[in-house]
Amino acid sequence: AQSVTQLGSHVSVSEGALVLLRCNYSSSVPPYLFWYVQYPNQGLQLLLKYTTGATLVKGINGFEAEFKKSETSFHLTKPSAHMSDAAEYFCAVTTGNQFYFGTGTSLTVIP
Amino acid sequence: NAGVTQTPKFRILKIGQSMTLQCTQDMNHNYMYWYRQDPGMGLKLIYYSVGAGITDKGEVPNGYNVSRSTTEDFPLRLELAAPSQTSVYFCASVGGLGNQPQHFGDGTRLSIL
Repeated sequence: AQSVTQLGSHVSVSEGALVLLRCNYSSSVPPYLFWYVQYPNQGLQLLLKYTTGATLVKGINGFEAEFKKSETSFHLTKPSAHMSDAAEYFCAVTTGNQFYFGTGTSLTVIP
Repeated sequence: NAGVTQTPKFRILKIGQSMTLQCTQDMNHNYMYWYRQDPGMGLKLIYYSVGAGITDKGEVPNGYNVSRSTTEDFPLRLELAAPSQTSVYFCASVGGLGNQPQHFGDGTRLSIL
């Protein structure tokens, strides 16, 4: 079975500071991993995905994530936070026809 | 490009009433999903479908029913609404398994009073 753990349900950073959102997964087979962003009153939008190949994945809006098999992690980072990054972020894993989501991390950006 | 369309966007129901949440996608995706999202709980899978005529239960199916008569449509039915079903419901679709991400609708916000 697969599962996802997102450490920190709320993260606050100053504008211009590094954003680090943590995601650890559990999977018995090589997983496919995703980060989604959700703005208020909207659905989830794909930020980036890891399937195979390069372990450092670049996504939209300057975000990137690194797949570390030895640590079963897929942490999301952005070098410099912008006010528009304030949103809810979800990590997800799939190995078949079901997707498993973390409980989400709400990012607040302080001006 | 419409993508995944959910209707209605908002609804208030009385306990015991029934309703159908509509979901349609125009991407010819075989796989479709219904989730509910509650604060601090992430997304919980209610039902999913791997193609027309095929549906299966997810993690929290009790109190819900689905059908998939066409590739495009995947309605979710609440037969006897209960306060515990107050939530935000999301429909999603994906074209293929594995490395394809899900595409989400904007959600239906349902309150049961």
